[in-house]
Amino acid sequence: AQTVTQSQPEMSVQEAETVTLSCTYDTSESDYYLFWYKQPPSRQMILVIRQEAYKQQNATENRFSVNFQKAAKSFSLKISDSQLGDAAMYFCAYRSDYGGSQGNLIFGKGTKLSVKP
Amino acid sequence: ETGVTQTPRHLVMGMTNKKSLKCEQHLGHNAMYWYKQSAKKPLELMFVYSLEERVENNSVPSRFSPECPNSSHLFLHLHTLQPEDSALYLCASSQEVQAGNTIYFGEGSWLTVV
Repeated sequence: AQTVTQSQPEMSVQEAETVTLSCTYDTSESDYYLFWYKQPPSRQMILVIRQEAYKQQNATENRFSVNFQKAAKSFSLKISDSQLGDAAMYFCAYRSDYGGSQGNLIFGKGTKLSVKP
Repeated sequence: ETGVTQTPRHLVMGMTNKKSLKCEQHLGHNAMYWYKQSAKKPLELMFVYSLEERVENNSVPSRFSPECPNSSHLFLHLHTLQPEDSALYLCASSQEVQAGNTIYFGEGSWLTVV
């Protein structure tokens, strides 16, 4: 079974600085998708960025980028020019591309990010 | 504004009550999901529907009963719940159930069982 591990329960960053959140996963599959979701105090789970495992190029969305290392099964999120609105819980998630459990997003336990003014 | 809306946002119910959570998606998606988020566990998938047909049920107790009358609406019927069922219940949708389709979440329904 696949697992997702976020080893940093909490992180802190100064406004305008850069922070990297770590995520590792365990799978025997070769085709899958990886996601970072943000959950602010409103509790809505908001998609930040997604990565297809078959793509070597790292995904980027404005100030958010990932470092995807398939062989190492690592998928870290870098937030540049951090803003106060980035403060939230960040969840790394894995989704299999194979039948039987296609609907299942497997989440890590999350990293709580604080942004200091 | 979210494309997936959930009502009620907060619900307090006794263990003998029957209540329902409602979810509506305005995104034209064909797949809908219920997830449970507890304080000490990662998000857990409960149910998956594709074109109103249940395609996955992750060993959820029968006191949780889903209903999907059409591709835009999803309900979670609750009866004789336990205090440990208190959690945030998140509804979500995606264009199709296949993994390449991004899942979009609602704001959740906070459930407290007393």
